[in-house]
Amino acid sequence: AAGVIQSPRHLIKEKRETATLKCYPIPRHDTVYWYQQGPGQDPQFLISFYEKMQSDKGSIPDRFSAQQFSDYHSELNMSSLELGDSALYFCASSQLRMETGELFFGEGSRLTVL
Amino acid sequence: AQSVSQHNHHVILSEAASLELGCNYSYGGTVNLFWYVQYPGQHLQLLLKYFSGDPLVKGIKGFEAEFIKSKFSFNLRKPSVQWSDTAEYFCAVGRSSYKLIFGSGTRLLVRP
Repeated sequence: AAGVIQSPRHLIKEKRETATLKCYPIPRHDTVYWYQQGPGQDPQFLISFYEKMQSDKGSIPDRFSAQQFSDYHSELNMSSLELGDSALYFCASSQLRMETGELFFGEGSRLTVL
Repeated sequence: AQSVSQHNHHVILSEAASLELGCNYSYGGTVNLFWYVQYPGQHLQLLLKYFSGDPLVKGIKGFEAEFIKSKFSFNLRKPSVQWSDTAEYFCAVGRSSYKLIFGSGTRLLVRP
């Protein structure tokens, strides 16, 4: 079965650079979520999109922005990178009609800021 | 405020020992409950979920969890752990298509 696809899997950037992460949800899933997991920490919700509109916002820095495109894939843009942005970034998708609210996670994009 | 508490941050067991990981939540209204597992260097994978019906749910790899509404708890259990169960376990709560709120996680180390 198709899963959530994230790219790139690994990314190394310098401080103050910009990074873009991509997420391709499971086909027919209409909602995308972004989570940030720092070393040894639990996943923290950043932002979500439903039908290409922002549906919820968590602890996402102002330096970060995201959007969902017409094909439902989403991109997380991170600018002026800081050392503390080094983390594993998970994308998850779900379908609004799914009563269980289960999220399906991608394998994550590991960002290292030097 | 919505929150999830996992009381055990680190658990060390020998193979064949029984496991119980605690999870308590604070969340208004009807909730769905999940346990996710994260093996070293990997992504989150769903172990089991509860959204209605029998409060005792069975998941993959011999795991089960019991929803006790009066105690706001959803503890994870396994009768006999294996070395391959070494991982981090996250309890999470949410509602349909809303963001999941995760607990802080429990790192399980199973000694062979």
